[in-house]
Amino acid sequence: AQRVTQPEKLLSVFKGAPVELKCNYSYSGSPELFWYVQYSRQRLQLLLRHISRESIKGFTADLNKGETSFHLKKPFAQEEDSAMYYCALSQGGGGNKLTFGTGTQLKVEL
Amino acid sequence: GAVVSQHPSWVICKSGTSVKIECRSLDFQATTMFWYRQFPKQSLMLMATSNEGSKATYEQGVEKDKFLINHASLTLSTLTVTSAHPEDSSFYICSATRLAGGLYNEQFFGPGTRLTVL
Repeated sequence: AQRVTQPEKLLSVFKGAPVELKCNYSYSGSPELFWYVQYSRQRLQLLLRHISRESIKGFTADLNKGETSFHLKKPFAQEEDSAMYYCALSQGGGGNKLTFGTGTQLKVEL
Repeated sequence: GAVVSQHPSWVICKSGTSVKIECRSLDFQATTMFWYRQFPKQSLMLMATSNEGSKATYEQGVEKDKFLINHASLTLSTLTVTSAHPEDSSFYICSATRLAGGLYNEQFFGPGTRLTVL
């Protein structure tokens, strides 16, 4: 069975500091990994996915199959980055069901 | 585009009653809709996968007779919590994937429905 682990419930950083939100997974096949974000009082939305290898809002995430990790990184945190971040895994294709991690609350302080 | 709505946004009901939650894709046709449940300060747990015109596929441990899912059209899926009890109080979220998603079918999430059973 697949599993997604986000070890930090809360991550607090100062504005301008680097950010790394950790995500580890367990899955026997070839997973697809995603990061979803939920801003205050808003719905869950896709931030980025590993297959597109893109940078969204300055965030990047690299799939490391050796370490079974998909950490989310941003070199300089902004106040508007404060949100709940969920790492998610799919067996194949985003349309397939997602397994979510427990989420990490990112708080960017001035 | 790709907006998903849920109705109602919140509902309070008495124990033993049934509650229906609607999930609509407003500007696209959805091949598949998913229903999640989220307890306070916890992650989203998939309850079931719903495909238009066919029976929903429930995750292990989810009672299909208690959580009735109907996906009658490409834009509407409903979740009915039957004979609700206080332990069913939770935040219910749906998501939908587009009919023509190409190689990758992104899930678009609704805003959620807060159910409180007294």
